[in-house]
Amino acid sequence: QVQLQQSGPGLVKPSQTLSLTCAISGDSVSSNSVTWSWIRQSPSRGLEWLGRTYYRSKWSNEYAVSVKSRITINADTPKNQFSLQLNSVTPEDTAVYYCARGAHPKGYDYWGQGTLVTVSS
Amino acid sequence: EIVLTQSPGTLSLSPGERATLSCRASQSVSSNYLTWYQQKPGQAPRLLIYGASSRATGIPDRFSGSGSGTEFTLTISSLEPEDFAVYYCQQYGSSFTFGPGTKVEIK
Repeated sequence: QVQLQQSGPGLVKPSQTLSLTCAISGDSVSSNSVTWSWIRQSPSRGLEWLGRTYYRSKWSNEYAVSVKSRITINADTPKNQFSLQLNSVTPEDTAVYYCARGAHPKGYDYWGQGTLVTVSS
Repeated sequence: EIVLTQSPGTLSLSPGERATLSCRASQSVSSNYLTWYQQKPGQAPRLLIYGASSRATGIPDRFSGSGSGTEFTLTISSLEPEDFAVYYCQQYGSSFTFGPGTKVEIK
């Protein structure tokens, strides 16, 4: 059974960096058949895909245009986890952040528990 | 970017009734890369349907999906108490976008 466990602070100051980690059990971050994504949800923006990392003989990342200049997603193979960094945050980045496993074409089949991140001074 | 529109915004029904939810795409969704998710308050979304019409593992057969191109439908044949929730469609044929959701509430 795949489980995704999120960790990271729930409060970030404006202009600082939001950092979250998603620890994977029951699968490998280096799996050749799935991808690992970050998705956020807010009342104003709904569900918004932020980006993903995946391994297919080499590591690749893809990011949403809306956050491309501010986002980094990294995989940590020894710890079997992946992380999200979002720079220069504003209150607009306040949302519940989810990590999720993409088993496309079968969609996002496993999700983390969600982390409410509030951007406020 | 493919924009998804869901209707209605809210569906008020009684247990045992049939629910029909619509998802329209601004452009054709390639290879029917269209999924449906259910979300309950305080929980992460749960995968219901992928490839427009295939049920995910463990999903009851009262849930069915249909459609192609730009028009897709999620049908719940007979609502159970646990089915009252918000339902989202998502496309992954061109980047990844979600619809705004349809809330199915108890009438």
